[in-house]
Amino acid sequence: GENVEQHPSTLSVQEGDSAVIKCTYSDSASNYFPWYKQELGKRPQLIIDIRSNVGEKKDQRIAVTLNKTAKHFSLHITETQPEDSAVYFCAANRGSQGNLIFGKGTKLSVKP
Amino acid sequence: EAQVTQNPRYLITVTGKKLTVTCSQNMNHEYMSWYRQDPGLGLRQIYYSMNVEVTDKGDVPEGYKVSRKEKRNFPLILESPSPNQTSLYFCASSGQGRETQYFGPGTRLLVL
Repeated sequence: GENVEQHPSTLSVQEGDSAVIKCTYSDSASNYFPWYKQELGKRPQLIIDIRSNVGEKKDQRIAVTLNKTAKHFSLHITETQPEDSAVYFCAANRGSQGNLIFGKGTKLSVKP
Repeated sequence: EAQVTQNPRYLITVTGKKLTVTCSQNMNHEYMSWYRQDPGLGLRQIYYSMNVEVTDKGDVPEGYKVSRKEKRNFPLILESPSPNQTSLYFCASSGQGRETQYFGPGTRLLVL
């Protein structure tokens, strides 16, 4: 069946460095790719998303890139800060049904 | 305030004792979904509903039931809970696009 693979599972960076999280998806019909951030003890919240007709999207320090041919998409966080520490989930929709399939998450730690 | 609410937030129960976790949203969303979150496994979809009286299985539906009698409510029912259903449960909803999902605060369930 369809799946979303996410790497790495844990990532530790120094404050100010960049962080990159990568995902691959299997469903060719997927056309929507959101990223969620989950702080400790909190609910997942959408931070950025990208649709298949766009190759890159930026919002301040975060950006997402999409390579539809390779079925890859990535989250880039620049100038990381301690408050960026959280678990990040990528997801892809299952074509026309719209259900999201989530990756297993990446725990990002930003060391001051 | 637009929100998704869940009750209870924490629940300890014993094997076999039927329980219901409620979910309610005030955003007039058509789409609602239940996920369970387990360490290392990410968010896995249990059931989803595309509208009133329309429900379907997600990836891990065994041992769960749902109903959607009203647009705003989507309860999750465990008829005979077992210890392997100990988990953190999230309800989520989204509008007609079924893309950006808004999560509830989560329900932490322990089945002894």
